[in-house]
Amino acid sequence: SQTIHQWPATLVQPVGSPLSLECTVEGTSNPNLYWYRQAAGRGLQLLFYSVGIGQISSEVPQNLSASRPQDRQFILSSKKLLLSDSGFYLCASQTLSSYNEQFFGPGTRLTVL
Amino acid sequence: EDQVTQSPEALRLQEGESSSLNCSYTVSGLRGLFWYRQDPGKGPEFLFTLYSAGEEKEKERLKATLTKKESFLHITAPKPEDSATYLCAAVNFNKFYFGSGTKLNVKP
Repeated sequence: SQTIHQWPATLVQPVGSPLSLECTVEGTSNPNLYWYRQAAGRGLQLLFYSVGIGQISSEVPQNLSASRPQDRQFILSSKKLLLSDSGFYLCASQTLSSYNEQFFGPGTRLTVL
Repeated sequence: EDQVTQSPEALRLQEGESSSLNCSYTVSGLRGLFWYRQDPGKGPEFLFTLYSAGEEKEKERLKATLTKKESFLHITAPKPEDSATYLCAAVNFNKFYFGSGTKLNVKP
């Protein structure tokens, strides 16, 4: 089965600082990868998804970006954080051989002050 | 517009009091309906996938059902450890559409 790693687990950053969140996947190859943001008490907002190396689809216009430098690595970045970027960031992996289930990582709690 | 709506937003039950959570969806080209459990501060944990109307899946005290417009998560004789937020998601092609979840609280 798949295992999704995310780090860091928690992060407190000042407004205007850069951001880099990393997600790596074990136990599968050529997965679809996803970044979600979850505000407190809310559902998951899809930010980016990727069907392969270097292929990124953006769902929400914002100051965040994503990259996929390797098959099982997905990075979420920002050059300058905003207060509104605070939230719980989740990486997810989907492999067609697993009948489309999406498996989630443990998440990163980001607080922008 | 593709979307998923869950109700109720919150549900408080006594231990042993059975109930159902609803997930209504309007998603074109549906390829699957998923249920997840999420504990506070953690990532969602996969529970079930349903692929066609009439399908049912069971796991311990949980049973998920699917129609052409909605899915239900039935909880039979819940225990306090079933307390969590339950999320449903409808998927078409590569995109998952998540509801905002139902926060379940089971009191002993």
